[in-house]
Amino acid sequence: QKEVEQDPGPLSVPEGAIVSLNCTYSNSAFQYFMWYRQYSRKGPELLMYTYSSGNKEDGRFTAQVDKSSKYISLFIRDSQPSDSATYLCAIGRGGGFKTIFGAGTRLFVKA
Amino acid sequence: DTGVSQNPRHKITKRGQNVTFRCDPISEHNRLYWYRQTLGQGPEFLTYFQNEAQLEKSRLLSDRFSAERPKGSFSTLEIQRTEQGDSAMYLCASSLGPRSRSGANVLTFGAGSRLTVL
Repeated sequence: QKEVEQDPGPLSVPEGAIVSLNCTYSNSAFQYFMWYRQYSRKGPELLMYTYSSGNKEDGRFTAQVDKSSKYISLFIRDSQPSDSATYLCAIGRGGGFKTIFGAGTRLFVKA
Repeated sequence: DTGVSQNPRHKITKRGQNVTFRCDPISEHNRLYWYRQTLGQGPEFLTYFQNEAQLEKSRLLSDRFSAERPKGSFSTLEIQRTEQGDSAMYLCASSLGPRSRSGANVLTFGAGSRLTVL
């Protein structure tokens, strides 16, 4: 079993739609939960960062963590064509060490 | 500071040749990571450094792979006797150290070095 499971998609939505991206993880020791966005032929860039359970909002993006079910989500409101990218969920432990990434979900937002 | 810099951006080599990639991290960051990413997959952890010390290596890092970070600044990743299965994007990232408990988990990636082994 992989430590982080993520549906690779692709996911295609019309402009303006609400997008929901999800991951599950297996080890409850992880406390830090991140979402990275990766455009084609670029390195991943940090989008959202949360610690423990709860919600965090930043503009059109909301990250949600449910540690009891080991489930993390990213919601994108009013999606734009510029949001078309691969979204990677990632988990980490306190103090750093290695960050473990999901396989990434490819998102296409059609104008 | 211009972020994490990686060179070369793309390397094409024949099977059996050696290749070396370089990474220049953000200067304030004392942690440096190497990841490998293949098509359709997320980055897979290879190794990381705290200053000049290599603290963890993945089992993915066979004895053909070696990474160094002399003086705790830039890092090199060398692959000897390349195989076609080594074709991938090699990503370097840096972060703050463990004293910044949250910052240590925030990785800043470079654009990657793409390796094609013919």
